[in-house]
Amino acid sequence: GENVEQHPSTLSVQEGDSAVIKCTYSDSASNYFPWYKQELGKRPQLIIDIRSNVGEKKDQRIAVTLNKTAKHFSLHITETQPEDSAVYFCAASKYDYKLSFGAGTTVTVRA
Amino acid sequence: DADVTQTPRNRITKTGKRIMLECSQTKGHDRMYWYRQDPGLGLQLIYYSFDVKDINKGEISDGYSVSRQAQAKFSLSLESAIPNQTALYFCATSDSGSQETQYFGPGTRLLVL
Repeated sequence: GENVEQHPSTLSVQEGDSAVIKCTYSDSASNYFPWYKQELGKRPQLIIDIRSNVGEKKDQRIAVTLNKTAKHFSLHITETQPEDSAVYFCAASKYDYKLSFGAGTTVTVRA
Repeated sequence: DADVTQTPRNRITKTGKRIMLECSQTKGHDRMYWYRQDPGLGLQLIYYSFDVKDINKGEISDGYSVSRQAQAKFSLSLESAIPNQTALYFCATSDSGSQETQYFGPGTRLLVL
């Protein structure tokens, strides 16, 4: 099955700086790559996603890039704010609509 | 997101007991999923169902069973709970007619003593 690796496991950034989380996947047939944010004690919620026919997607301060050749994708958060502190999960799926999740990155934004 | 609800929200049980976790949704989605979350392991798929008569095993189905009673309801059972099933359990839904976005319920925190 699909194997998704996520790095780093923890990330501490100064408020206003950028944060980058990277994921690699194993199955070249994967074509959908969502990112979920989970605040403490809350449910995971989709923040952005990208499909394999697109190389980059942006939504305000967050962006995702995809390199199909290298089988990796990344989440970029610019101008980080305290409310960006959370656990972020990347995931990948194929036509079967099953998501395989990375282990998560705990992001802490220091004031 | 009150469209996906889970009961109970917290449960403490003893080894060997049977327990059922329930998930209901009002989103009208046909696909439903059960995940388990452990610290440092992300979300692991236990079972999934693409419609009422479709049940599929996920990555970690051993020790679990499910029932899709209706399009809106998907239950997860632990027939004989064991301590390493202590975890946070999430139900999720998605719509086959649109994007693959999965919407998660609030989670059930289970402790097996």
